[in-house]
Amino acid sequence: DQQVKQNSPSLSVQEGRISILNCDYTNSMFDYFLWYKKYPAEGPTFLISISSIKDKNEDGRFTVFLNKSAKHLSLHIVPSQPGDSAVYFCAAISGTYKYIFGTGTRLKVLA
Amino acid sequence: KAGVTQTPRYLIKTRGQQVTLSCSPISGHRSVSWYQQTPGQGLQFLFEYFSETQRNKGNFPGRFSGRQFSNSRSEMNVSTLELGDSALYLCASSLVASGRSDTQYFGPGTRLTVL
Repeated sequence: DQQVKQNSPSLSVQEGRISILNCDYTNSMFDYFLWYKKYPAEGPTFLISISSIKDKNEDGRFTVFLNKSAKHLSLHIVPSQPGDSAVYFCAAISGTYKYIFGTGTRLKVLA
Repeated sequence: KAGVTQTPRYLIKTRGQQVTLSCSPISGHRSVSWYQQTPGQGLQFLFEYFSETQRNKGNFPGRFSGRQFSNSRSEMNVSTLELGDSALYLCASSLVASGRSDTQYFGPGTRLTVL
């Protein structure tokens, strides 16, 4: 049972435009969410996080939005750059400190 | 500060064999977690070690085991390898607890191929 779902396996966006990556979760006990970015042949790197007491967190070009009632979070990248092309994973944490990852979305930013 | 290192980076084994993967966390980090990444499944949590004790365990069979040494280095062992064990195995370290205020830092992974 996939508790964290990224329903879009891939996404293509033009350079300079907004990239929106989506993530849905089923467990209402999750109270902390993170986004990781992964390049080929490298491990995932932490991008941005959000606590369930907030609905938005911003860091430069990256903004994460959390809609608790819909159990949905999204990552916005504005403006998108070719170097953003990677696989993006969302992850959720519950009280047991286990990270539950989604299956990833491959973002391709076209120059 | 050096990042998380994993050895070996690539490994080819045959069914029935066993394998041991190694992970050296960032200096000062005491928590080490292991994940399996396969296409379409994302990162699946295997287990987490803190101060030489397994603190959390995912839903994997007993063929998957691990341990942590006093210097926080960790090893993961898979016995009686199956074709389905072919995957990228990632190790992540964090300062104290893999949780909200303590980001996990990942190594580059070990690519295991089982023939």
